[in-house]
This record gives sequence, C-alpha cells and structure tokens, in this order.
Amino acid sequence: DVVMTQSPLSLPVTLGQPASISCRSSQSLVYSDGSTQLNWYHQRPGHSPRRLIYAVSNRDSGVPDRFSGSGSGTDFTLRISRVETEDVGVYYCIQASHWPFTFGQGTKLEI
Amino acid sequence: EVQLVESGGDLVQPGGSLRLSCVASGFTFSDFSMHWVRQAPGKGLECVSAINGNGGNTFYANSVKDRFTISRDNSRNTLYLQMGSLRAEDMAVYYCVRVGTGYDYWGQGTLVAVSS
Repeated sequence: DVVMTQSPLSLPVTLGQPASISCRSSQSLVYSDGSTQLNWYHQRPGHSPRRLIYAVSNRDSGVPDRFSGSGSGTDFTLRISRVETEDVGVYYCIQASHWPFTFGQGTKLEI
Repeated sequence: EVQLVESGGDLVQPGGSLRLSCVASGFTFSDFSMHWVRQAPGKGLECVSAINGNGGNTFYANSVKDRFTISRDNSRNTLYLQMGSLRAEDMAVYYCVRVGTGYDYWGQGTLVAVSS
C-alpha cells in the first residue's frame, strides 16, 4: 500500500498568517490516465471530513481562495494564505491513484 | 444536492453483530463506487470496505476481512455494511463515502461502540 506521510502533525498558527502542510507519498501518485489523484480534506471537531482540493490543485466549490494545493509525483503541499478562525481542525491528504486509497496521519491546525 | 445518510450504529457487546445502512440521494447511485471509512475516537481515517457501482467487486481491509460484508441495493439507493464478530478495536465512527474524484462526498457518520 502507498504510505502517506504528513508534516507537521501539529501546526500552531497566528490569525492572518500563512500556513503550510506537506504530504509525501511512498510512490508516485501519477495515475494511469496521467492525472494525479491527491486530495486534501478538512475535518472540524465533531464533523465529517470535507474535501478542499482535488487532483493536487483544484479547489472544490465554495472553498475560499486562500486555500491552494501544489506538488507533483510524491511531494505535495496545502497552503493557507491567511489563516482564519474557521480553519481550525485536522487536515488530511488522501491518495486515490492506487488501490487501496490511503490516508495521511492528519495535521492538527490550532490558533 | 448529494446526500449520504448513515444509520445503524449502536452499542454492541464484543462478538456481536450490527448492520449499517447508508441511503444516498441527489445522484445516480449505481454510477459510483462507494466506500465505508472509519475513524476510531481521536484517531485517523481507515477505509475498511469498498464496492463498485454494480456490486460485483468488493474490497476489505485486512483488519475486517472475513468479519464484515459490504453490499448495495441500487434499487433502494442504499449501501450496507454487515459487521460481525465485533471487537473493541472496531469502535469508531463509520462514514459512507462516495468515490468521484477520490472521496468527494461524505455522510455524517454513525457511531459503533463495542463494549461489555
């Protein structure tokens, strides 16, 4: 199985400041069709995860443009340009290029 | 609007059984693979089972193989997870998740508690 490694696991941030989360995979996530199925999710306490970014860099509908995703191959990054209060929670990267889908450990963002 | 609504979670004794259901709406259910993903208290996420659109292919994590059975009824837009020989380590919130571009929609989850 593909191992997904996130860092840091805990991320204290200041309101209005940028934040960045890294996600690395144990093998390339380039899919057979040439796409890269690396997605980012946000989970608030007591809620189910919500997808923010799909296929590395595409924002889901309704996701603020302060969120951006980048990367290729095995190295990926989620960036928040200016952290807001509602951004607290746990962020996960999940790969869907290889079966079975696998998950990063989660990064807890705290203000 | 896509909706996934799970039910069936409960407190069960070790060794017991439970059936989870997930009713889908807002999309053509049979067009999508569906997964059950669980999250133990304070822990990360784990895909425990998956099924393709027509139900012909299934997947189980090693942790639940031979104890859980995934199925679907496309005429009722419903996904199921039959859970047997439950253990303390199966205690978790179980999410029903649609597979679009990866996991695109999640249900609200249903809690399975295993304790004597």
